[in-house]
Amino acid sequence: AQTVTQSQPEMSVQEAETVTLSCTYDTSESDYYLFWYKQPPSRQMILVIRQEAYKQQNATENRFSVNFQKAAKSFSLKISDSQLGDAAMYFCASHFQGGSEKLVFGKGTKLTVNP
Amino acid sequence: EAQVTQNPRYLITVTGKKLTVTCSQNMNHEYMSWYRQDPGLGLRQIYYSMNVEVTDKGDVPEGYKVSRKEKRNFPLILESPSPNQTSLYFCASSFRVSGANVLTFGAGSRLTVL
Repeated sequence: AQTVTQSQPEMSVQEAETVTLSCTYDTSESDYYLFWYKQPPSRQMILVIRQEAYKQQNATENRFSVNFQKAAKSFSLKISDSQLGDAAMYFCASHFQGGSEKLVFGKGTKLTVNP
Repeated sequence: EAQVTQNPRYLITVTGKKLTVTCSQNMNHEYMSWYRQDPGLGLRQIYYSMNVEVTDKGDVPEGYKVSRKEKRNFPLILESPSPNQTSLYFCASSFRVSGANVLTFGAGSRLTVL
């Protein structure tokens, strides 16, 4: 079975500091895609960043970057210069090719940003 | 504005009373899907549709039905809701970007079944 695991149910960070959220996944496929979604209190699911597994270069979107370790099946999200608006649930997800085109989600990490 | 619209946003109903959650997208996406979100479980796929008249079960389809008669609409039907279907529901449509299935989510529908 293809699974995505987020081992940190909750994390906290001071405003302006850096925090890293962990995600590991399990698959036997070689072609897949990884995502981080943010869910603020409004409940809207917002795509933060995505990574193609065939790309060695880590994806970056402004203050958000990933550390993709394909051999270790690890996909962590780093948030730099944390802002109060970053407080949210963060979900790691993977699109494994073939079949139902579904995303497999982790259980989420609740991030608190302290002023 | 490109968006996925689902209604109602909030609904309280009673066991056994049929209900439909509507979903519409204006992006001409072929692929649409429904997920439910429960605390500690993340999001799980209920049903998906690859195109008009093409639907299939996801991971948790029991108790749900869907239809795809038009490309833009993908309603979720609960024929006889039960309390274990109390959840937050998301509709999503998607397209391929460099092979990745990039989902655009609706705002969510909070359903409570008493």
